[in-house]
Amino acid sequence: GQNIDQPTEMTATEGAIVQINCTYQTSGFNGLFWYQQHAGEAPTFLSYNVLDGLEEKGRFSSFLSRSKGYSYLLLKELQMKDSASYLCAVSGMDSNYQLIWGAGTKLIIKP
Amino acid sequence: ETGVTQSPTHLIKTRGQQVTLRCSSQSGHNTVSWYQQALGQGPQFIFQYYREEENGRGNFPPRFSGLQFPNYSSELNVNALELDDSALYLCASSSHRDGSSGANVLTFGAGSRLTVL
Repeated sequence: GQNIDQPTEMTATEGAIVQINCTYQTSGFNGLFWYQQHAGEAPTFLSYNVLDGLEEKGRFSSFLSRSKGYSYLLLKELQMKDSASYLCAVSGMDSNYQLIWGAGTKLIIKP
Repeated sequence: ETGVTQSPTHLIKTRGQQVTLRCSSQSGHNTVSWYQQALGQGPQFIFQYYREEENGRGNFPPRFSGLQFPNYSSELNVNALELDDSALYLCASSSHRDGSSGANVLTFGAGSRLTVL
């Protein structure tokens, strides 16, 4: 079967660094996405990895290891506005339009 | 550029009724996908429309149907509503090119929250 796993909830302190992990088992692989979703709002695109390695974009970085079926999203210099759910989604080989989504990780930032 | 807009934002229906949700895609996008998101869960793929035809469907029954119009806007119709249909329905648009490989970045609307009583 196809499965995406990520922690349900994480807590971190303002100004600190947090790493949100995602493991996946899918039939084929055509890329992994990270989206941010604030409560009651639309998911917004953060990053896309299709090759192994680290992609850095400002305070956010995303890492992928295809052999391990593993990715993480790294958030640096945390701000209160980073409190949100972070969704990991994988595009399988068979249909590059149907994303398989994790349940999301709710990140709580404390002062 | 305009983003993805959905209507209505909230609605309440009773079991057995029918509902139509609407979505206008982002300017320049030609593909629309619909997702159902239950509280505390990730989005579940319902179906996708490209060139006014359904070209992918998730594990949803036939009472979930849709349309895409020549201007790339789309509708999601749900018949015979059930209590479990209560969820946030998200529309996402993207730009697809024939023959291209690689996944496409989705731009989501804010969603339509449906409550079935």
